Amino acid sequence: SQQGEEDPQALSIQEGENATMNCSYKTSINNLQWYRQNSGRGLVHLILIRSNEREKHSGRLRVTLDTSKKSSSLLITASRAADTASYFCAFRGGTGRRALTFGSGTRLQVQP
Amino acid sequence: SQTIHQWPATLVQPVGSPLSLECTVEGTSNPNLYWYRQAAGRGLQLLFYSVGIGQISSEVPQNLSASRPQDRQFILSSKKLLLSDSGFYLCAWAGEAGELFFGEGSRLTVL
Repeated sequence: SQQGEEDPQALSIQEGENATMNCSYKTSINNLQWYRQNSGRGLVHLILIRSNEREKHSGRLRVTLDTSKKSSSLLITASRAADTASYFCAFRGGTGRRALTFGSGTRLQVQP
Repeated sequence: SQTIHQWPATLVQPVGSPLSLECTVEGTSNPNLYWYRQAAGRGLQLLFYSVGIGQISSEVPQNLSASRPQDRQFILSSKKLLLSDSGFYLCAWAGEAGELFFGEGSRLTVL
């Protein structure tokens, strides 16, 4: 299967704490992306990291990619209650596959 | 700017009834379009994608079908719904870097 796996499945933290989510995959990839989904809504693209990049930042988001371990992590610093959502990694394989494969997601709950 | 619309937002249908979910994109031409399904509390499963009018690729054998009658229109259909077709259906188009832009989804409940 080309599916991605994420852990933890669920994470509950207090406002102000950092949240770290991990993603593992099995194939070679061109890039890896992270998405956010509020309950009952569509997904929103957060950040894309290419296979030749090791780290990328966007505001309070920090993404790392280790292609040797086939893993990525998303760090949200100084979390806010509004960060409560599900977070998914997604990747496009290096075999010309046109569609993204999504991980199983991490449900993040930030307590005010 | 580009926008994507899906409708209906919510649908309750009996087993064996037909289905038509519609997705339209504005502000871009010749986009790659995708239909994904999300079961409750789960990740996304790719159903279909299209790189142009009349060009449909199916990822999973099922009783669903897709059509792209116009450049910016993508339709998901079924002739006879099954209970297992219940879920949250998401349409998306791909940006230049391969990132996806999703609609707000259509929640289907089959009873």
